[in-house]
Amino acid sequence: GIQVEQSPPDLILQEGANSTLRCNFSDSVNNLQWFHQNPWGQLINLFYIPSGTKQNGRLSATTVATERYSLLYISSSQTTDSGVYFCAVDYSGGGADGLTFGKGTHLIIQP
Amino acid sequence: NAGVTQTPKFRVLKTGQSMTLLCAQDMNHEYMYWYRQDPGMGLRLIHYSVGEGTTAKGEVPDGYNVSRLKKQNFLLGLESAAPSQTSVYFCASNPGTSGPPYEQYFGPGTRLTVT
Repeated sequence: GIQVEQSPPDLILQEGANSTLRCNFSDSVNNLQWFHQNPWGQLINLFYIPSGTKQNGRLSATTVATERYSLLYISSSQTTDSGVYFCAVDYSGGGADGLTFGKGTHLIIQP
Repeated sequence: NAGVTQTPKFRVLKTGQSMTLLCAQDMNHEYMYWYRQDPGMGLRLIHYSVGEGTTAKGEVPDGYNVSRLKKQNFLLGLESAAPSQTSVYFCASNPGTSGPPYEQYFGPGTRLTVT
């Protein structure tokens, strides 16, 4: 099956810093999503981004499908950004086969 | 619009007991999924359904059964619980055949402990 690798596995930053999280995948994908899992375990949809660039406030994401990677940018980090960030992909087209998740990047923002 | 809901939120079982987890969605989505998340890992797909009355196996289906008798509900059953099934279970749904975006929406999770 498809492999999804995220880097770095852990990241500790001071409040106000910027960060870039990377997701590499081993095969062509039709869908790619970024999620934030907060300290209470809730999964929050950040971006649905099979290709191109999107922005939402301090967060933005870029997927270069032809080179099989996606980047999540977090600017001016806040303590509420702490948690685990997951990249997940689907290569079946309509989502029929479910998502394959990476192991995540554990982000800690210190005040 | 509640989105995806899961019942119960927490459960403790003894080895060999059975239980059913309920997932409900009010978005009229065609596709539904059950995932499990173990410590330090991403989610892994257990079973999924692409429509009422249909189910299929995912990456880690052993020890689980599912049913989709109504479009809005997807049930996950454990017939004889084992400690290896201690995990957090997430349900998700996706619009499916109505066209992109094929974004998945997740429920809040059920934390299951098997002793």
